Amino acid sequence: DGGITQSPKYLFRKEGQNVTLSCEQNLNHDAMYWYRQDPGQGLRLIYYSQIVNDFQKGDIAEGYSVSREKKESFPLTVTSAQKNPTAFYLCASSIGQGWPYEQYFGPGTRLTVT
Amino acid sequence: GENVEQHPSTLSVQEGDSAVIKCTYSDSASNYFPWYKQELGKRPQLIIDIRSNVGEKKDQRIAVTLNKTAKHFSLHITETQPEDSAVYFCAASSYNNNDMRFGAGTRLTVKP
Repeated sequence: DGGITQSPKYLFRKEGQNVTLSCEQNLNHDAMYWYRQDPGQGLRLIYYSQIVNDFQKGDIAEGYSVSREKKESFPLTVTSAQKNPTAFYLCASSIGQGWPYEQYFGPGTRLTVT
Repeated sequence: GENVEQHPSTLSVQEGDSAVIKCTYSDSASNYFPWYKQELGKRPQLIIDIRSNVGEKKDQRIAVTLNKTAKHFSLHITETQPEDSAVYFCAASSYNNNDMRFGAGTRLTVKP
């Protein structure tokens, strides 16, 4: 393990509260990604960032927000607008730069909203 | 956009048998096809990948084949062992990882 970390591992929140999930990498990767994993649905892309201070929406960005102020960090905020926030969230990074490369995943954060 | 379908959703084999997982993709521009293994409660990890200029790639007991004409690719695991039990995801990407799309996953169980 190491290289890309996420915290916390488990997170519990009340409905209506915003919550921020942390993602940090020390691999010197340019690109970072957030995925949501639900049972039987594989990984769905929420947001991605190819470079500092730039990020783009993925397939299911509604109700989420991100920032990329540092190369190493790509936090994800799950807002109260997200209708079904309970899920397993995975952060990933890759070399980037236009050619698909292996993505390295963090250990994930399991978010439960009640 | 790209759409990746993966079959079967669950697969149970006896230890020592082979396992095959198949994926189809829709975007003919896709040129990178990784396979990830995710053990229970852990992060997905790349086990093998193939690019479109290659038809087959092998790494010990694991092999991947790609048929660009039919737009499908498969993962083959030979001499399965209980530690191969996990969820396996295929994916496809064209320009860069921004458009990478994952299959829904296959839960492989290897019975001792």
